[in-house]
Amino acid sequence: QKEVEQDPGPLSVPEGAIVSLNCTYSNSAFQYFMWYRQYSRKGPELLMYTYSSGNKEDGRFTAQVDKSSKYISLFIRDSQPSDSATYLCAMSAGGGGSEKLVFGKGTKLTVNP
Amino acid sequence: ETGVTQSPTHLIKTRGQQVTLRCSSQSGHNTVSWYQQALGQGPQFIFQYYREEENGRGNFPPRFSGLQFPNYSSELNVNALELDDSALYLCASSLANTEAFFGQGTRLTVV
Repeated sequence: QKEVEQDPGPLSVPEGAIVSLNCTYSNSAFQYFMWYRQYSRKGPELLMYTYSSGNKEDGRFTAQVDKSSKYISLFIRDSQPSDSATYLCAMSAGGGGSEKLVFGKGTKLTVNP
Repeated sequence: ETGVTQSPTHLIKTRGQQVTLRCSSQSGHNTVSWYQQALGQGPQFIFQYYREEENGRGNFPPRFSGLQFPNYSSELNVNALELDDSALYLCASSLANTEAFFGQGTRLTVV
């Protein structure tokens, strides 16, 4: 079993839809949870960063962490064509996210105008 | 832009050759990590440097080695290149106990 599981999709939605992206994990030592957005042939861009369980909102993006279920989610409201990218979840056990990150495979999202 | 710069942006090497990739960390960041991202996969941790010392290593063979310099910039060296080393190599910088920011990557093709 991989430490982090993420459905690779692809996921295709119409503009304005609410998008839900998810990851599950097996290592209970993970404490820091991140979502990165990666456009084709570019480096990952940090979108959301959370510590332990709970919700965090930033504009159209909401990250949720449920440590009891070992499940994290990213919601995108009012999705735009510019949101079309691959979304990577990442986790670490310590160092505030500066230590070894374990990534999911990424979910490829297309938002259609 | 994250302030993390990598060079070169892409290169092609022949199997068996050696390659050096470079990374300039964001100003003030003392921690640099390197990741390998194969096509269609998430990044895989290679190793991390903190204040010029290796501070953790992933499941990569010894022919993957690195350095960090006093200005916190870093190099990744790969010897005896194999076809499976073809990937996007990513550098991430951070301060200790804060989130990591990635550069744009170096795309390596081994033929």
